Amino acid sequence: SQKIEQNSEALNIQEGKTATLTCNYTNYSPAYLQWYRQDPGRGPVFLLLIRENEKEKRKERLKVTFDTTLKQSLFHITASQPADSATYLCAPLSGGYNKLIFGAGTRLAVHP
Amino acid sequence: DGGITQSPKYLFRKEGQNVTLSCEQNLNHDAMYWYRQDPGQGLRLIYYSQIVNDFQKGDIAEGYSVSREKKESFPLTVTSAQKNPTAFYLCATRDTVFPYEQYFGPGTRLTVT
Repeated sequence: SQKIEQNSEALNIQEGKTATLTCNYTNYSPAYLQWYRQDPGRGPVFLLLIRENEKEKRKERLKVTFDTTLKQSLFHITASQPADSATYLCAPLSGGYNKLIFGAGTRLAVHP
Repeated sequence: DGGITQSPKYLFRKEGQNVTLSCEQNLNHDAMYWYRQDPGQGLRLIYYSQIVNDFQKGDIAEGYSVSREKKESFPLTVTSAQKNPTAFYLCATRDTVFPYEQYFGPGTRLTVT
């Protein structure tokens, strides 16, 4: 069955450093991969999408890579700030994109 | 939270009672979804609907029911058959235009005692 794995352990980093979060998937070949941010007690918010034929995508301080050979996406936040503290979810899309499945998310804590 | 309304934000029920969670959207999206989230865990898909009068079971549909009589509305009923109904419930819509972004409502936290 399709499986998405994200680090269950929280990631603690110092302000100003680069945070790197990992998303691994098995048993399917997504054409796209989305990343969302979720704050406590709120619904996730879409951040960005990367296509399977894109190696890298950037948006402001965010950078996402997509390696279809390794079946992995890496999500980077450069110059991290305490306001970046949240849980980040990945969601690979395949097929008709009708049934979106999310990873469990990785909680990021940025300390001043 | 965009154009998705979920009410109420907090809901308390006694065990054995059915309860219906509301989800209304004004984004004009055809696709709507219900997810459940337990503490420290990810989102699990309960039901989804791609068009009015049609819906499909997700990964954990047992003990839940939905209807889609209007494009704007996708209510979820948590029945007494759901063994562990206490959770955070999120409704979402999906844009059919690239990048197929999902928009989430503010959620309803259901507590059953």
